[in-house]
Amino acid sequence: QVQLQQWGAGLLTPSETLSLTCAVSGGSFSGYYWTWIRQPPGKGLEWIGEITHSGSTNYNPSLKNRITVSVDTSKNQFSLMLSSVTAADTAVYYCARGRARSFGSGRLPGIWGQGTMVSVSS
Amino acid sequence: DIVMTQSPESLAVSLGERATFNCKSSQSVLHGSNNQNYLAWYHQKPGQPPKLLVYWASTRESGVPDRFSGSGSGTDFTLTISSLQAEDVAVYYCQQYFSSPWTFGQGTKVEIK
Repeated sequence: QVQLQQWGAGLLTPSETLSLTCAVSGGSFSGYYWTWIRQPPGKGLEWIGEITHSGSTNYNPSLKNRITVSVDTSKNQFSLMLSSVTAADTAVYYCARGRARSFGSGRLPGIWGQGTMVSVSS
Repeated sequence: DIVMTQSPESLAVSLGERATFNCKSSQSVLHGSNNQNYLAWYHQKPGQPPKLLVYWASTRESGVPDRFSGSGSGTDFTLTISSLQAEDVAVYYCQQYFSSPWTFGQGTKVEIK
C-alpha cells in the first residue's frame, strides 16, 4: 500500500532554513495533490501548502514569503523549505497525499506521513 | 481567510452513547456550481497523524465505520458518532476546502465518561 516516509533536521536555530522531504512508495506519484501541514505542540492543524505532480503550487499566504514546496517526480519525492524560522515555527510537520486523483475533495489529505518534530531554539 | 469554529472544546460521552460535534464557518462553504459543501472532518488519536473521516460534509471516506455521519450546509455542520466506541477517543477537526488557504477548526476532544 501507499506509504509516505518523511525526514529532515529536527533542531534548528532562529533564522535557519527548515528542510523536509517526503518520499512516496507503493503507489503512483502522478495525478495527486501533495500537501504539507503542521501542528504546534498541543495545538491544532495549520495547512502550509500543496503541490501537484506537475509542480503547480498553492501556499498559505501567512507563510508565502518564506516557503518553497517542490517536487522530484524522478524520485517520487516532494519537499518543503521554510526560511528564516523562528520559535513560532516549532511544530510537528506532516506530509500527505490527496485522497484521490480529482479536484475538490481529491486534494484532501488521505494518506499521511508519520510526522517530523521540528524545534526552533537558540 | 475562512475561520472555522468548533464546539464544544471537549466532550465526555459514555460508551455506546451518541457524540455530536459542531463546526461553524465564518462564511458559507456551499459552492453554487455543484451544490457541494466543501467541508471535511478528521480525527486524530494521540501520537498519530489525523485521519480523514468525511468529505463533502456528509460523504464517508472509504473504510470509515457507518457510526460516523456528517451533516449540515452553508455555515453550520455536525459530525455525529451514533454509538461511541473506545477507539473513537481522539480530537476531531473540521476543515474547509472552499477557499484557500484551507483552514481547520481548533478541534473537539472526545473522552470516555
